Parts: sequence; structure tokens; C-alpha cells
Amino acid sequence: GAVVSQHPSWVICKSGTSVKIECRSLDFQATTMFWYRQFPKQSLMLMATSNEGSKATYEQGVEKDKFLINHASLTLSTLTVTSAHPEDSSFYICSARDSGQEPNEQFFGPGTRLTVL
Amino acid sequence: GEDVEQSLFLSVREGDSSVINCTYTDSSSTYLYWYKQEPGAGLQLLTYIFSNMDMKQDQRLTVLLNKKDKHLSLRIADTQTGDSAIYFCAEKNTGGFKTIFGAGTRLFVKA
Repeated sequence: GAVVSQHPSWVICKSGTSVKIECRSLDFQATTMFWYRQFPKQSLMLMATSNEGSKATYEQGVEKDKFLINHASLTLSTLTVTSAHPEDSSFYICSARDSGQEPNEQFFGPGTRLTVL
Repeated sequence: GEDVEQSLFLSVREGDSSVINCTYTDSSSTYLYWYKQEPGAGLQLLTYIFSNMDMKQDQRLTVLLNKKDKHLSLRIADTQTGDSAIYFCAEKNTGGFKTIFGAGTRLFVKA
């Protein structure tokens, strides 16, 4: 199946700094990527939908200035958590949509654990 | 709006069968999925079923779909300790862009 990678797999940062997380589709082109956030023992919360070459669509309640998304190419989307605070600590998961592989067209990355001190 | 619900926890003994249940509200759902998430990892697609099917079997996994009741189940035969994980039910319709996930069922397998 298609492979999606995320980098880094974990990151620890100081409060007030910005952190960038990369999501790459390794063997297919992804016109759409999704960013999720998962709190411990809770479900996935869709944060935003990222479309290549256009602005991301954010879900209600997600601050777009806080969570900057860039989808500059068909294989790479980045999520930047700006001025991170401890409450931003979470597990962030991306997925990439391979429109050529209906119905199992959404493939998930392994996740990035962010800890803000 | 669309909603997917699952029980949050299931505990079984090794070797027994596990049945994880899910209900959804969107009658136009076209695809229904089961994902597995192991600790500290992303989601792995286990299996899926198209809405015009009633059942799908894949080795130890059996998916049953009752479209009338909007009920989906995942049966794992001969459950092993390695099956301990969180299982997410999800649905998507043909015109939909997003996949809607349930809250996940945590399966605990006792040796």
C-alpha cells in the first residue's frame, strides 16, 4: 500500500517556540492531505484539510494563525505550530489522499508527538 | 450531521473472538472502514466494506454491515495479544470529502 511519512516522530520544545512537522507521501501524489490531532485515549480530531497549491480549510475552532499549513507540492505538506504552549502538546497525525486508489484512498502517517515544556 | 459511535472499551481472553460494534448516521455512506492504531503509532487500514455488501471476510477478520440499522461490526477470530490496540470505525460517502471517525474502541486481550 501507499506510504506516508512524518518527520519528526517526536519533538520536545520550549514554550513560545515554533515547531514544524512534515508529512510526505512517498510513492504517490497527494492532492489532499489531512491534519489530525489526538489527545491521550481520545479520537482523532480533524484540524484542517490541505490542498496542494491553495489555502488550507480549517475546522471550526482551529486557529489558522496558530497552526500554519503549507501544501507546496503534491508530496509534501507541513504543519507549523507557532508560539507553542503546553496545551499544544499532543499527537499530531497526517494522512494523504490517493485519489487513484478508491476506496482505501486515505493513508496515514505514523504521527508526531509534540511535547511543549 | 454525520456521526459515528463506538463503545470505548472491550476486554477478551486470548483465543476468544472479539466483536467491536459501530453505528453511524449517514445513510449515504458509501465506504465503511476499520482502522487499527497501536500505541504511539498512526492508523493502519485493516479492512473496508462497500455499502452494497453485507459481509466481508479477510482471514481472521469478518465485517458485518446492517445498512438498514446503520450498524457495522468487526469480528476478530482467535484474538491474540498482538491484537490489543484501538480500533476506529469510519465512514465516507461518495460525494464526501472527509472521512468521519468514531471515538475508537480500546481492545484489551488478556493472556
